Amino acid sequence: AQSVTQLGSHVSVSEGALVLLRCNYSSSVPPYLFWYVQYPNQGLQLLLKYTSAATLVKGINGFEAEFKKSETSFHLTKPSAHMSDAAEYFCAVSGKGGSEKLVFGKGTKLTVNP
Amino acid sequence: EAGVVQSPRYKIIEKKQPVAFWCNPISGHNTLYWYLQNLGQGPELLIRYENEEAVDDSQLPKDRFSAERLKGVDSTLKIQPAELGDSAVYLCASSSIGGAVSNEQFFGPGTRLTVL
Repeated sequence: AQSVTQLGSHVSVSEGALVLLRCNYSSSVPPYLFWYVQYPNQGLQLLLKYTSAATLVKGINGFEAEFKKSETSFHLTKPSAHMSDAAEYFCAVSGKGGSEKLVFGKGTKLTVNP
Repeated sequence: EAGVVQSPRYKIIEKKQPVAFWCNPISGHNTLYWYLQNLGQGPELLIRYENEEAVDDSQLPKDRFSAERLKGVDSTLKIQPAELGDSAVYLCASSSIGGAVSNEQFFGPGTRLTVL
């Protein structure tokens, strides 16, 4: 069975500050890992994905995440927050079989203060 | 390239009434997913189709929920009768076999259901 734990349901940062959103996963098989962003009243948009190539993954909008097997973590970071980053962020895990379901965490709502 | 299309975007019904949601996946995507997203939670899979075959419906409450994907393209998710606890966002996603290397799924905007 697979699961994801996102630490902190709400994170608040100042504009220009570092963004760090935490994600720990549990998987009995080597996983694929994803970060999605959801803006109000919209669907989920893929930020980045880990598929067992490079452990440091760069995504859109300046976000990146590092896969650490020893810590079973896949934390999302961005060096400098923008007001437009305010949204809800979901970490997800799946197996490596084709078209497997995504198992999502409960999400972290990011607030960016001016 | 057009994204995943869902309709309606919003639906308000009274309990015990039926309701249906429609999804049109990205052209060429053979895998279609319906997810349920409760307020303050991450999405949870209801059903997954490979072409027209439902290959994972273990989380679909079959006493009141049904789904179909005729001809392996569009899909409809139905609830009959709706209960107060069904108020949530219903998300549709699609992916292609070619995308199975990374299992990247593309999501529609969702249908927000309110049951009164």
